[in-house]
Amino acid sequence: QSALTQPASVSASPGQSITISCAGSSSDIGTYKLVSWYQQHPGKVPKLIIYEASRRPSEVSTRFSASKSGNTASLTISGLQADDEADYYCSSYVGSSNWVFGGGTKLTVL
Amino acid sequence: QMYLQESGPGLVKPSEALSLTCTVSGDSITTNSYYWDWIRQPPGKGLEWIGTVYYTGTTYSSPSLQSRVTISIDTSTNQFSLKMISVTATDTAVYYCARRSAASLRQGAFDLWGQGTMVTVS
Repeated sequence: QSALTQPASVSASPGQSITISCAGSSSDIGTYKLVSWYQQHPGKVPKLIIYEASRRPSEVSTRFSASKSGNTASLTISGLQADDEADYYCSSYVGSSNWVFGGGTKLTVL
Repeated sequence: QMYLQESGPGLVKPSEALSLTCTVSGDSITTNSYYWDWIRQPPGKGLEWIGTVYYTGTTYSSPSLQSRVTISIDTSTNQFSLKMISVTATDTAVYYCARRSAASLRQGAFDLWGQGTMVTVS
């Protein structure tokens, strides 16, 4: 299976909002709701921030939200803060008990 | 509180086998609530799913790696393992073990990760 497609980088100023897309196909995102998002600071372990396409763990800030439409999932971060600067990865179930990640998006807070 | 910890050699010679173990502490690995996965990340690159094992011993692997990968579980020691044969420099990466929910709650989410272990093939 192919990796999901994410923009290599996005940037915005503190307080602004950004959206990161995660493009898949009818075989993965388009069929299954099992999309999750991860935040990874440099040198750190990935952290789950969204699961089942739009659900947020209780310990994750409400500034993080996500959705899925057709073959594309999206992560939105509102009220950007300096600590949001990190790499973000989407992941999806692709059937046959297999999983795939996106290539990752580097978020820069200007 | 459950913890995962990877262990294994940090340096492997080309064409040899890479073997890693993930020790699960804080709860039993035989719970039916989770799958146990391996994920890797080459330096400066993205995450790649390698494969998974369930407490029953059922395993699944990425099609691109399955010919070289064996994943197993040892319930007596609360550990699961990864073996990758015929490694090359492209297998150099940080290898993570992770827990993935099998239940309806957080289904499919990798919600707990080990700290990762760097494996260099050289």
